[in-house]
Amino acid sequence: EAGVAQSPRYKIIEKRQSVAFWCNPISGHATLYWYQQILGQGPKLLIQFQNNGVVDDSQLPKDRFSAERLKGVDSTLKIQPAKLEDSAVYLCASSPLPDYGYTFGSGTRLTVV
Amino acid sequence: KNEVEQSPQNLTAQEGEFITINCSYSVGISALHWLQQHPGGGIVSLFMLSSGKKKHGRLIATINIQEKHSSLHITASHPRDSAVYICAVRYRGGADGLTFGKGTHLIIQP
Repeated sequence: EAGVAQSPRYKIIEKRQSVAFWCNPISGHATLYWYQQILGQGPKLLIQFQNNGVVDDSQLPKDRFSAERLKGVDSTLKIQPAKLEDSAVYLCASSPLPDYGYTFGSGTRLTVV
Repeated sequence: KNEVEQSPQNLTAQEGEFITINCSYSVGISALHWLQQHPGGGIVSLFMLSSGKKKHGRLIATINIQEKHSSLHITASHPRDSAVYICAVRYRGGADGLTFGKGTHLIIQP
């Protein structure tokens, strides 16, 4: 079974620039999550999709962050404009059902300079 | 505020030692996960618990629902066990996303 695919693996941008991350979950997994992990901290949930609908985006900074999951499969997370404090690893995870076990991607390490 | 507390934050041990990492949480949960993250690597799910105890190879995870506490044990530790171990919970009645602890950075020296 293929894992959760994320790209790019690394990205360096200047502040105020835009960036987009892509995630392809495991086939058949209805639930998709985006997490932000700042160095030295545990991941923080940004947004959760169930198929192509948003279940929880309460911690997503909506003035600069946006995410979509068209057709209920792949997902894109965008930051526009980026700030220095957005430097983090962005993790995508998927699960077939809540509490059924999560599979995480390798993450995208973003550095904003 | 729903929090997940892990201890210790950092742990260095010698190869072969028995390792225990602790996790406590504040309110009722529907599931608790133990995850492993290697430097520069992705996160791997080790266990998902809602009660009792689970064992996989040299890893053992236990949970006490009444005390809101879980432990991860590693027997006969090995340098390849060096990683960050993260406890995460799904709170009962909450959204399906996990709330994570800050992780325990484990180093096993040969």
